[in-house]
Amino acid sequence: EAGVAQSPRYKIIEKRQSVAFWCNPISGHATLYWYQQILGQGPKLLIQFQNNGVVDDSQLPKDRFSAERLKGVDSTLKIQPAKLEDSAVYLCASSWTSGPSYEQYFGPGTRLTVT
Amino acid sequence: AQSVTQLGSHVSVSEGALVLLRCNYSSSVPPYLFWYVQYPNQGLQLLLKYTSAATLVKGINGFEAEFKKSETSFHLTKPSAHMSDAAEYFCAVSEDSSNTGKLIFGQGTTLQVKP
Repeated sequence: EAGVAQSPRYKIIEKRQSVAFWCNPISGHATLYWYQQILGQGPKLLIQFQNNGVVDDSQLPKDRFSAERLKGVDSTLKIQPAKLEDSAVYLCASSWTSGPSYEQYFGPGTRLTVT
Repeated sequence: AQSVTQLGSHVSVSEGALVLLRCNYSSSVPPYLFWYVQYPNQGLQLLLKYTSAATLVKGINGFEAEFKKSETSFHLTKPSAHMSDAAEYFCAVSEDSSNTGKLIFGQGTTLQVKP
């Protein structure tokens, strides 16, 4: 079974530029999560989708971050414009459905450096 | 709000020695608790989870954790460390009250294993 795929793996941009990350979850998984992991910290949930609907985006900085999951499969996370403090690893995870008893499977992440 | 505290950002043990990684949580409802491992440049992998069944939970790679409600702790142990155990370990709690499966992570503990 293929795991969660993410691209690109690494991205370097200048502040005020825009960037987009892509995630392909495990086939059949209804729930998709985007986490931000700043160096030295644990991952923090940015947004959670159930199929193509948003379950939780309370910690998404909506003035600069946006995410979509068209057709309830792949997802993209966009930052526009980027700030220095957005430098982090962006992790995508998926699970069969929402709920704490369902294991979340993580992709390898995209490491973003904003200069 | 739920939170997780991992005591010690770095732990160093000798190969063959006991591994003990500490995690304390705060939760107003019975929690789901998790330990994840992250190897360099990889995503997170689930080691084990507590779901209100047995208080002693066995996971992969010889790890286990014990849920102690009176101490609000969920410490991770392994009797004998291997070089391959060197990684970063994250404790997480799930907000069961909302049933979304959202994970709240601790800040992580880096395990170093010395030959």
